[in-house]
Amino acid sequence: GAVVSQHPSWVICKSGTSVKIECRSLDFQATTMFWYRQFPKQSLMLMATSNEGSKATYEQGVEKDKFLINHASLTLSTLTVTSAHPEDSSFYICSARHTGQGQNTQYFGPGTRLTVL
Amino acid sequence: GENVGLHLPTLSVQEGDNSIINCAYSNSASDYFIWYKQESGKGPQFIIDIRSNMDKRQGQRVTVLLNKTVKHLSLQIAATQPGDSAVYFCAENGGNTGKLIFGQGTTLQVKP
Repeated sequence: GAVVSQHPSWVICKSGTSVKIECRSLDFQATTMFWYRQFPKQSLMLMATSNEGSKATYEQGVEKDKFLINHASLTLSTLTVTSAHPEDSSFYICSARHTGQGQNTQYFGPGTRLTVL
Repeated sequence: GENVGLHLPTLSVQEGDNSIINCAYSNSASDYFIWYKQESGKGPQFIIDIRSNMDKRQGQRVTVLLNKTVKHLSLQIAATQPGDSAVYFCAENGGNTGKLIFGQGTTLQVKP
């Protein structure tokens, strides 16, 4: 149990285009999901907290108009990188918080590798 | 400020030996800790967690120890196997903020 998927697993796009990444909790419902960014050989950097049915909460320094988050259902959150530029190239990982059965653990998706040309 | 750090960036062990990965945290309000394993190009995988009302928890081949006095967390892996090679992150909940604070990670290399 506690499986989280992401789609796509990798994407290459031209500078200026927008890219949408989906995060799904497959076998549990998640009112809260998180979006992280990870550069090579570095730790995970939290970008924002995605709350089902309400606006996302962004970490300091993360542009909410550039990284649009939508959490439309209890199993799906999407991150849209708008007008992507090469500096947005990174590994984007989502997690979903499992609070069922007394848990309070974040389970991670497999990540999405974004390359902006 | 908040800090979750690891004592060693890289740990190299012989296959079959036991591994110990350490983590220091500074937020005394943290009451929940998790160890994750991340293989190259993949997302972090949950290994084991522990709450602050415990000082030890065991899983399959893994044990997490928590010393709240010195704010120290460790992950012990018994009979380390080549498949255990990965980066290991500790994370703390920062006092039930709902967010996780990650350490910098330790690379575990298993030599055959």
